[in-house]
Amino acid sequence: AQKITQTQPGMFVQEKEAVTLDCTYDTSDPSYGLFWYKQPSSGEMIFLIYQGSYDQQNATEGRYSLNFQKARKSANLVISASQLGDSAMYFCAMRERGYGGSQGNLIFGKGTKLSVKP
Amino acid sequence: GAVVSQHPSRVICKSGTSVKIECRSLDFQATTMFWYRQFPKQSLMLMATSNEGSKATYEQGVEKDKFLINHASLTLSTLTVTSAHPEDSSFYICSAITSGGLETQYFGPGTRLLVL
Repeated sequence: AQKITQTQPGMFVQEKEAVTLDCTYDTSDPSYGLFWYKQPSSGEMIFLIYQGSYDQQNATEGRYSLNFQKARKSANLVISASQLGDSAMYFCAMRERGYGGSQGNLIFGKGTKLSVKP
Repeated sequence: GAVVSQHPSRVICKSGTSVKIECRSLDFQATTMFWYRQFPKQSLMLMATSNEGSKATYEQGVEKDKFLINHASLTLSTLTVTSAHPEDSSFYICSAITSGGLETQYFGPGTRLLVL
């Protein structure tokens, strides 16, 4: 079974509107972290936002917020007031606590291509 | 945020040659570095995890002798693609973290390798 599922291969949004990118995850580890990265055409992976499994509040970073629903195992990214520069691939990722408390690997979803229309 | 550099950004080489890619953490000490490979329009695939001073841990299906990883210091890891072939052409990205925990993982800008 996939650990990270992004069901939207592509999304369109009008400039200045908000958009939600879906992400669901699967883990039995009680301690994990959820990440969203943006990858523009240049290829660089840009960190956007992080949510820890024990965090009580949803993470926010500027125009980015993470809608964390632990019981549903979802971690959707909400981008408010979309800008043309937001057009890129967006990857959801999860890191579980590894064996012996060490770092687990970062597992990526397949990504969602967001296109912002002027 | 933390900065990770990668060099070169692009490389074109002939089949059979070896290519070395460097990954550096510029403003922090990276206890662990990761190497990923990404094919066009696909997600990142973890190739190996390297800890400073020890041998890299490779993912299943990744050839250790083909992709040599050296994590010589807390700020430098290198990936050498030995005897490169056209099927090795890909986008290679390194990443680094500081210490144990679930904190953020920062990525380098990537290296586009084209093997002719």
